[in-house]
Amino acid sequence: DTEVTQTPKHLVMGMTNKKSLKCEQHMGHRAMYWYKQKAKKPPELMFVYSYEKLSINESVPSRFSPECPNSSLLNLHLHALQPEDSALYLCASSLQDSYEQYFGPGTRLTVT
Amino acid sequence: GNSVTQMEGPVTLSEEAFLTINCTYTATGYPSLFWYVQYPGEGLQLLLKATKADDKGSNKGFEATYRKETTSFHLEKGSVQVSDSAVYFCALDSAQGGSEKLVFGKGMKLTVNP
Repeated sequence: DTEVTQTPKHLVMGMTNKKSLKCEQHMGHRAMYWYKQKAKKPPELMFVYSYEKLSINESVPSRFSPECPNSSLLNLHLHALQPEDSALYLCASSLQDSYEQYFGPGTRLTVT
Repeated sequence: GNSVTQMEGPVTLSEEAFLTINCTYTATGYPSLFWYVQYPGEGLQLLLKATKADDKGSNKGFEATYRKETTSFHLEKGSVQVSDSAVYFCALDSAQGGSEKLVFGKGMKLTVNP
């Protein structure tokens, strides 16, 4: 298995909703990442987990809450989002946190 | 801090044309360099990489050479195909707080017409 999977593929949520994005990999990678990508822009790093511990938080608002329950799974919990949070959310993983990253297909999030 | 500057485009080419996408970087130390490609509606895929000076990365007919003297990592392909239409991102890895993060260029959209 050489891929990163993300669910759901699309998500529409209201500003008062709580939802979660899920990312999974079974490549034995020990670093996992969340990125946010707006249209026609490069991905922006949000969080890095290394060996299931949060190692980088790029000053992301608290309405985004990451969780790494085990080495294969990464979640992003969403609460009270704003319309400007609408974007493609990409998950990535790497063998360790200094190797090339493998990206999932992303979740396209729309906040109404 | 570390940064990447790349051609932004958009660029439109005819099939079988030669492609060059310029990428230069600013970094302390010796970063690894990457080209990622994003096809419409998809996530990013690693296209090729180079980890030290004078390394040449290659994949699917694309090549890029790590040039430390010019701090460049230009992407080239001798004959593009319609299926190469995508957005191309140059990136480097940058240490932060004991972890590595990718620093991306702004991306360049390529359209190849038959």
